[in-house]
Amino acid sequence: DAGVIQSPRHEVTEMGQEVTLRCKPISGHDYLFWYRQTMMRGLELLIYFNNNVPIDDSGMPEDRFSAKMPNASFSTLKIQPSEPRDSAVYFCASSLDRSYYGYTFGSGTRLTVV
Amino acid sequence: GEDVEQSLFLSVREGDSSVINCTYTDSSSTYLYWYKQEPGAGLQLLTYIFSNMDMKQDQRLTVLLNKKDKHLSLRIADTQTGDSAIYFCAEGGGDYKLSFGAGTTVTVRA
Repeated sequence: DAGVIQSPRHEVTEMGQEVTLRCKPISGHDYLFWYRQTMMRGLELLIYFNNNVPIDDSGMPEDRFSAKMPNASFSTLKIQPSEPRDSAVYFCASSLDRSYYGYTFGSGTRLTVV
Repeated sequence: GEDVEQSLFLSVREGDSSVINCTYTDSSSTYLYWYKQEPGAGLQLLTYIFSNMDMKQDQRLTVLLNKKDKHLSLRIADTQTGDSAIYFCAEGGGDYKLSFGAGTTVTVRA
């Protein structure tokens, strides 16, 4: 199993541009989570899906952020327009329903907005 | 909301034991986890413990849970340079969302 795959690993973009982050969860996992990690705020849960349906998006900071999961093997997190304060590492994680084994995280996307 | 607190830094000599502490507030927590994050990488699950357990041992790792005080600790025996990383405590309950602490940066010195 290749694990949770995120792309790109690094993204540098100019303020105001649209950014799309991508995630492929582990096959068979039916929960998918998007987290943001910064020095100031630590790990923040942005949104999570169950069976491709968004369950809780209360962590999405504002309307500039949106997430989709069109099928069980793919999810995107989009920021439009991007701002310098969005600079962070964005992690995707997946897990099995009611798994006792926690989440499996991807390697993250380091986003820098200049 | 749930709060999980950890000390931010720990420095330990190679070969000594490390103890990382964590406190949580949600009394309905069912599972508690320790994750490890190495530089430039994602979080890797190290170990977990159910709330009805007091202790769990896995090779060099020992997890202790004091449910009454809502205190969780991770002990790493014979700490090695490869153990240098950030360690996150996390707790999960019925809604299946995990709440993470801020992470403890462990530095192993020779």
